[in-house]
Amino acid sequence: EVQLVESGGNLVQPGRSLRLSCAASGFTFADYAMHWVRQAPGKGLEWVSGISWNSGSIGYAGSVKGRFTISRDNAKNSLYLQMNSLRAEDMAFYFCAKDTRIGYTSGHFDYWGQGTLVTVSS
Amino acid sequence: QSVLTQPPSVSGAPGQRVTISCTGSSSNIGAGYDVHWYQQLPGTAPKLLIYANSNRPSGVPDRFSGSKSGTSASLAITGLQAEDEADYYCQSYDSSLRGRVFGGGTKLTVL
Repeated sequence: EVQLVESGGNLVQPGRSLRLSCAASGFTFADYAMHWVRQAPGKGLEWVSGISWNSGSIGYAGSVKGRFTISRDNAKNSLYLQMNSLRAEDMAFYFCAKDTRIGYTSGHFDYWGQGTLVTVSS
Repeated sequence: QSVLTQPPSVSGAPGQRVTISCTGSSSNIGAGYDVHWYQQLPGTAPKLLIYANSNRPSGVPDRFSGSKSGTSASLAITGLQAEDEADYYCQSYDSSLRGRVFGGGTKLTVL
């Protein structure tokens, strides 16, 4: 059974940093691209970032480019999101999602985690 | 403002048919990129409903169907049931933005 479990969400002050993790199991993690998708409370889904199977290709939404960094450790079956210079508008549930392809530009999200909440407030 | 445009809400009575549109542009749907649909029940994570425009994952009832034409796509739900009440999102890839894009979401109410 595929499982994606996010962690690391917390209350953080504007301008500070936070690192999210996603532990994957039930599939060969190294064979697929992975993504972070976020959802502000009561709002729609927003793709944040994607990373190819071997970290060779990475993409970011314009709203987070230069502030967030996605990474993965295939040996640990884990996906990460380093979030710096956090803003109030970054407050959201952050979901980890598995792609169906090796590259982050194609495919679809066939499995999602339950999300971890990031609250940005002073 | 989402790159893909969906109606904020649709509604229908049990047993009826509803459709949800997803309008894009020449850099996403119109460029030939696939459209995928997700269902999000209240308080839960999104779930894949339709992939590659018109394909249903295992376990998704055939009451759900998808289509794509030009710069738009549609999700149709027939035989509406109370359990279909949820938010629905379309998703594609945008070559100008070099990233995945979602529609703003459509809330389906079963009357």
